[in-house]
Amino acid sequence: DARVTQTPRHKVTEMGQEVTMRCQPILGHNTVFWYRQTMMQGLELLAYFRNRAPLDDSGMPKDRFSAEMPDATLATLKIQPSEPRDSAVYFCASGLAPGVGTGELFFGEGSRLTVL
Amino acid sequence: GESVGLHLPTLSVQEGDNSIINCAYSNSASDYFIWYKQESGKGPQFIIDIRSNMDKRQGQRVTVLLNKTVKHLSLQIAATQPGDSAVYFCAEIIQGAQKLVFGQGTRLTINP
Repeated sequence: DARVTQTPRHKVTEMGQEVTMRCQPILGHNTVFWYRQTMMQGLELLAYFRNRAPLDDSGMPKDRFSAEMPDATLATLKIQPSEPRDSAVYFCASGLAPGVGTGELFFGEGSRLTVL
Repeated sequence: GESVGLHLPTLSVQEGDNSIINCAYSNSASDYFIWYKQESGKGPQFIIDIRSNMDKRQGQRVTVLLNKTVKHLSLQIAATQPGDSAVYFCAEIIQGAQKLVFGQGTRLTINP
């Protein structure tokens, strides 16, 4: 059963610490998205990749956030240094580029981050 | 600009009744819309999609209606069940942008 895998599922850290979240997209998918979900902001798009190349990261605070795809099976989202306002659930999603497939995105279970 | 919003943040219906969740979008260049369902503690899950060249699409117990004239999208769920309780998001893909933008979400509660 193909699915998007995210680690860690939960992370509690102290302000100033580095946080790295990882995502394994579904094999064969060529787009990967990072979303952040909070009660106040809903689902915010942070960054997305197509064929491992970053297409848009305008939703991401550049001074502390970075997103990469070292290879087709791994996407990472790093926060350094972390701040309490970064506390949220971070979702990774993968799919086929619109026009190629249905455009449906498959979401992981999310990484719940708490920054104290 | 890009904006996808929802008319109501919460909706309660009786089990067995039909429910309608509404969504307004502002970008006339959007050409593809998706409804997602998110249960507590889980990621959003695809329900149904519709392209801008259609005005209606039906799935199993769900129907999506698109009114491009007023930029309105709705999700109809027939004969609601307890398992339908979740937050429902509409999302749009803007032509050429290739990114999925989500609305705020509506929490649907099914009363026994």
